[in-house]
Amino acid sequence: EAEVAQSPRYKITEKSQAVAFWCDPISGHATLYWYRQILGQGPELLVQFQDESVVDDSQLPKDRFSAERLKGVDSTLKIQPAELGDSAMYLCASSQRGGTGELFFGEGSRLTVL
Amino acid sequence: SQKIEQNSEALNIQEGKTATLTCNYTNYSPAYLQWYRQDPGRGPVFLLLIRENEKEKRKERLKVTFDTTLKQSLFHITASQPADSATYLCALGLGGSQGNLIFGKGTKLSVKP
Repeated sequence: EAEVAQSPRYKITEKSQAVAFWCDPISGHATLYWYRQILGQGPELLVQFQDESVVDDSQLPKDRFSAERLKGVDSTLKIQPAELGDSAMYLCASSQRGGTGELFFGEGSRLTVL
Repeated sequence: SQKIEQNSEALNIQEGKTATLTCNYTNYSPAYLQWYRQDPGRGPVFLLLIRENEKEKRKERLKVTFDTTLKQSLFHITASQPADSATYLCALGLGGSQGNLIFGKGTKLSVKP
């Protein structure tokens, strides 16, 4: 069964350092999402791509976060510099173009900022 | 303000009983609503979708209802099993071209043998 791949699964970094997460969506899925989930909370959307274009990045803290999906396939989310409050699970999800809206999530990247 | 509230942070029930989880929302007009299951340290997994013009959806032991007048969805697991223990998230789909979901905090269900 096709899956959304994410790496790394776990990342520990010190504040002010740079960190990057990678996501490879299910093949053929045009829409890709990055969500952040703080422990005990629901996922919150950071950025949504349709193919290589950003559809919604209104909740992305653009002073320190950036995201790209250059060829419309895999995607990278970067944080620079990391802050203590960035500790969370970063979830990537994908969905089909024109689908029912069902999201397929990866296993997530757990970030701890010390 | 816009809110999504899931009835409680935790729900404990006995094996074999029906679990009922509630999702209420305020100041949203969702085109559809979805329920996901999330195990500790894992990504959410899609369970069911129900559209605004549907009253009820079923899948095996799962049933979802959607009342747009009450602004509420109920999620039922019948004949619950310990393996059903997880956090269940409701998510509102606002429709349109974006398609992203607004998630609630989730309800942690524990099914005791």
